[in-house]
Amino acid sequence: AQSVSQHNHHVILSEAASLELGCNYSYGGTVNLFWYVQYPGQHLQLLLKYFSGDPLVKGIKGFEAEFIKSKFSFNLRKPSVQWSDTAEYFCAVNANDKLIFGTGTRLQVFP
Amino acid sequence: DTEVTQTPKHLVMGMTNKKSLKCEQHMGHRAMYWYKQKAKKPPELMFVYSYEKLSINESVPSRFSPECPNSSLLNLHLHALQPEDSALYLCASSPKAGWSGANVLTFGAGSRLTVL
Repeated sequence: AQSVSQHNHHVILSEAASLELGCNYSYGGTVNLFWYVQYPGQHLQLLLKYFSGDPLVKGIKGFEAEFIKSKFSFNLRKPSVQWSDTAEYFCAVNANDKLIFGTGTRLQVFP
Repeated sequence: DTEVTQTPKHLVMGMTNKKSLKCEQHMGHRAMYWYKQKAKKPPELMFVYSYEKLSINESVPSRFSPECPNSSLLNLHLHALQPEDSALYLCASSPKAGWSGANVLTFGAGSRLTVL
């Protein structure tokens, strides 16, 4: 069965620091990959997605992610975080008609 | 309209009660989903409806009964729940089920359920 791993459970950064959140998946077939964000008290929102083509995808709010097929990874990056980026970040894989989420990474950004 | 609307936002029920959660979207999406999210955990898939037909049931106990009356509405009927069923229940929709270039899930804000 497919699964998604996020190794960083809790990340604490100061504003302007760079961010990289890891995501690895296990599935041998074609996958669609996503990063969703859940701000405190708000609903899940799509940050970015990868379906095909350029493995470096850009999303909203300055986020980007790189699909590395050989490593089964889809890491999320942002060069300079802001306090408003404080949220829970979920990597997700869509395979076999199911969207499966990773365990999530809680990001806290301090001014 | 690019939203998925869920009602009620909060629900408290006893173990013998019967209640329902409702979800509505007017984006013309033909797939709708129920997810369950416990505190500090990722959403877990419960059901998938594709073209108003149940296509995936992730071995959910029968005390949860989904219903899709039409392409815009999705209900989750609750009966004889247990305290451990307390969670945030998320509804989502997508243009269609399955993986494809157009298949991005849009989530509602959720219904927070407390079972006493």
